[in-house]
Amino acid sequence: DQQVKQNSPSLSVQEGRISILNCDYTNSMFDYFLWYKKYPAEGPTFLISISSIKDKNEDGRFTVFLNKSAKHLSLHIVPSQPGDSAVYFCAATQGGSEKLVFGKGTKLTVNP
Amino acid sequence: GAVVSQHPSWVICKSGTSVKIECRSLDFQATTMFWYRQFPKQSLMLMATSNEGSKATYEQGVEKDKFLINHASLTLSTLTVTSAHPEDSSFYICSANRVDTQYFGPGTRLTVL
Repeated sequence: DQQVKQNSPSLSVQEGRISILNCDYTNSMFDYFLWYKKYPAEGPTFLISISSIKDKNEDGRFTVFLNKSAKHLSLHIVPSQPGDSAVYFCAATQGGSEKLVFGKGTKLTVNP
Repeated sequence: GAVVSQHPSWVICKSGTSVKIECRSLDFQATTMFWYRQFPKQSLMLMATSNEGSKATYEQGVEKDKFLINHASLTLSTLTVTSAHPEDSSFYICSANRVDTQYFGPGTRLTVL
């Protein structure tokens, strides 16, 4: 039973446009969400996070939106750049636990 | 940002041998480290939580006698895959928490022939 789901295995976007990566979760106890970026044969790199007390967090070109009622979060990248091409993982945790539950990832390709 | 290193970055071994993977937090101390494995096109699956000075906590379905974890210091955790078999071939990644963020190592690609 996957508690964190990324239903789109891949996404292709034109450079300069917006990339929207989606993530759904089933465990209503999750209260902290993170996005990681991963290049092939490398470990994930932390990108941005959001606490369940917020509905938006912004950091430069990256914005994460959280809709608790829908158990849905999304990562917006604008403008998208070719260097953003990577696999993006959504992760969740609860109650201050350090244990993360990951989605399967979405491979983003930004075309020049 | 925090840096977590892993060694080796890749290893090829024969079936039946044991392989040790090291995970180090380079600029911070970590009482807890985590070990994940990732199969192609799959998510990162938590294998175990490594606790400094005490036994590791394994996730359901992970054989603790096969995947030995030792967290001997605040900056080093090791994962030993004992009697490795081809099905153990995978990408193993460690991580450590600093404040609210989990930082990951670069991963180790294990191939068992």
